[in-house]
Amino acid sequence: KNEVEQSPQNLTAQEGEFITINCSYSVGISALHWLQQHPGGGIVSLFMLSSGKKKHGRLIATINIQEKHSSLHITASHPRDSAVYICAAPRGGGGGADGLTFGKGTHLIIQP
Amino acid sequence: DVKVTQSSRYLVKRTGEKVFLECVQDMDHENMFWYRQDPGLGLRLIYFSYDVKMKEKGDIPEGYSVSREKKERFSLILESASTNQTSMYLCASSLPQGAGNTIYFGEGSWLTVV
Repeated sequence: KNEVEQSPQNLTAQEGEFITINCSYSVGISALHWLQQHPGGGIVSLFMLSSGKKKHGRLIATINIQEKHSSLHITASHPRDSAVYICAAPRGGGGGADGLTFGKGTHLIIQP
Repeated sequence: DVKVTQSSRYLVKRTGEKVFLECVQDMDHENMFWYRQDPGLGLRLIYFSYDVKMKEKGDIPEGYSVSREKKERFSLILESASTNQTSMYLCASSLPQGAGNTIYFGEGSWLTVV
């Protein structure tokens, strides 16, 4: 079963700072997910990536499949980016048809 | 706009009650999942389903069962609720490739068992 580790668990930064959240997993996979959860519970998918880098607005996700490591970056952070960011990998590795294993999340607070 | 809808947002139930949590998706997804989320433990998979009438145990199935009689609906059942089942429950759905496709979550159901 895949094990997913995220760091840091908590991160407080000033508006405008560059943010990096790291994720590592134990079993080879075909794709990794980055998710965002705002207070109140709803979770939205930010990225699903299998290689290289993806960019959406100020968010950038990278993955190194060989090293089993991924990072989520936020450029020019803003208070509205405050949320819990969660990475997730297939439970059994590979394509993950049997669901995902989640990291414990990074609680990000961006102060004005 | 794609949608996963969980029927109850907040519930308070008594120990020993039978509890039904309902989830409906409008995307014709084959795969549906039930997770619970607890502070410090993250999201953990309870049960999942590949197709109608199919179900598979996840990592923490004890004390739960599921039902999938129609493709769009996946129900989580607590046969006899206990206080350690107080948690937030999240339903999700995706296309058949599982992690190879975007996963969509419901808004969550906060269950308190007293």
